[in-house]
Amino acid sequence: DAKTTQPPSMDCAEGRAANLPCNHSTISGNEYVYWYRQIHSQGPQYIIHGLKNNETNEMASLIITEDRKSSTLILPHATLRDTAVYYCIVRVGGSEKLVFGKGTKLTVNP
Amino acid sequence: GAVVSQHPSWVICKSGTSVKIECRSLDFQATTMFWYRQFPKQSLMLMATSNEGSKATYEQGVEKDKFLINHASLTLSTLTVTSAHPEDSSFYICSARDWGRNQPQHFGDGTRLSIL
Repeated sequence: DAKTTQPPSMDCAEGRAANLPCNHSTISGNEYVYWYRQIHSQGPQYIIHGLKNNETNEMASLIITEDRKSSTLILPHATLRDTAVYYCIVRVGGSEKLVFGKGTKLTVNP
Repeated sequence: GAVVSQHPSWVICKSGTSVKIECRSLDFQATTMFWYRQFPKQSLMLMATSNEGSKATYEQGVEKDKFLINHASLTLSTLTVTSAHPEDSSFYICSARDWGRNQPQHFGDGTRLSIL
């Protein structure tokens, strides 16, 4: 089973920031949090990952709480092309396996 | 960087035939690749972990004799669906991890398999 909890769906207006939350209360000290997204009928796309510090790249920012029990993916200026299912993943028991939950279906509206 | 190519993108074939899907890491070497399956309106399910030069590790419930995996080089893994039947119709996706245990997996664009 997935070790993370995400809301099933969210809506965001085009041009606004999209903030996608994820709870991972059972995360252990050396486990990273990975974010992917899947646009319909395509393979998942890697977005960002982090351990405990906030991270930023050209796609998004990742904010991890100090206790590491939750994180938020931020798309600073959402576009229609950001409409996708977003997955927050913590690997299983230190293995390399990724367990995909149901994710959050983000819909960006014009 | 970190591009994974999967071929073919889609395939339609008759029941009973075997289908081979290729997964290549184009700009990095991958000692480990992964094969997933996704049914409509469901999430990805890991089928097996493919290790270069050794036997694949299959997840519980996945038939190793039906889904043959070969990882003969650091840039290529293949999945062969043997004697495919309509219930094997699905979206098959591979991924590969760049060097470094905590590096992310990168996914191919998937192969849509339809068995008639």
